[in-house]
Amino acid sequence: NAGVTQTPKFRVLKTGQSMTLLCAQDMNHEYMYWYRQDPGMGLRLIHYSVGEGTTAKGEVPDGYNVSRLKKQNFLLGLESAAPSQTSVYFCASSYGQGATYEQYFGPGTRLTVT
Amino acid sequence: AQKVTQAQTEISVVEKEDVTLDCVYETRDTTYYLFWYKQPPSGELVFLIRRNSFDEQNEISGRYSWNFQKSTSSFNFTITASQVVDSAVYFCALSGASGYALNFGKGTSLLVTP
Repeated sequence: NAGVTQTPKFRVLKTGQSMTLLCAQDMNHEYMYWYRQDPGMGLRLIHYSVGEGTTAKGEVPDGYNVSRLKKQNFLLGLESAAPSQTSVYFCASSYGQGATYEQYFGPGTRLTVT
Repeated sequence: AQKVTQAQTEISVVEKEDVTLDCVYETRDTTYYLFWYKQPPSGELVFLIRRNSFDEQNEISGRYSWNFQKSTSSFNFTITASQVVDSAVYFCALSGASGYALNFGKGTSLLVTP
């Protein structure tokens, strides 16, 4: 039981490049989330999904797209990376709605955009 | 709107000292959930506790204890007899019952020195 996994762990992009971050969970959770963590800012929600085939915007969605084609996977895409997207990205999942259930976090992906 | 304030940015203590991390929250919801997460230097987020707004009982788990006071909108976290392994960033978070995401505070960095 791996829990929540994220790939890659580290990535360096040049401005304008694109990439996709993959999140996978093996707990059969309905809800999945993408957060970003910046120094002194805590974690902020980018996008979330309440089930396979559904996605919704969070607090800071601009510049990102997501897809949930399979229940166990939640992809975060950057179409044209910008230095402001340098951050640590965390994926999380939960059995039920939002914070009424514990959110399990992945190990994070450290992204640098130069 | 929901907001979490962790006024202590950094705390440094000597091993075996007791330390309290403060968390003050704002919400208009009558039903809400409060959380504490630990982020050790390795970077992953570790769930510590979830408390709903109807349960004001203090909780103790080993050296950890939590004091929830609705009258002051606070959910403080105390580590008794701190250890070096307690060194981490601690996040307090809040969510309404109908919310999908956790609203994180900016975190308190705790350093425990031998």
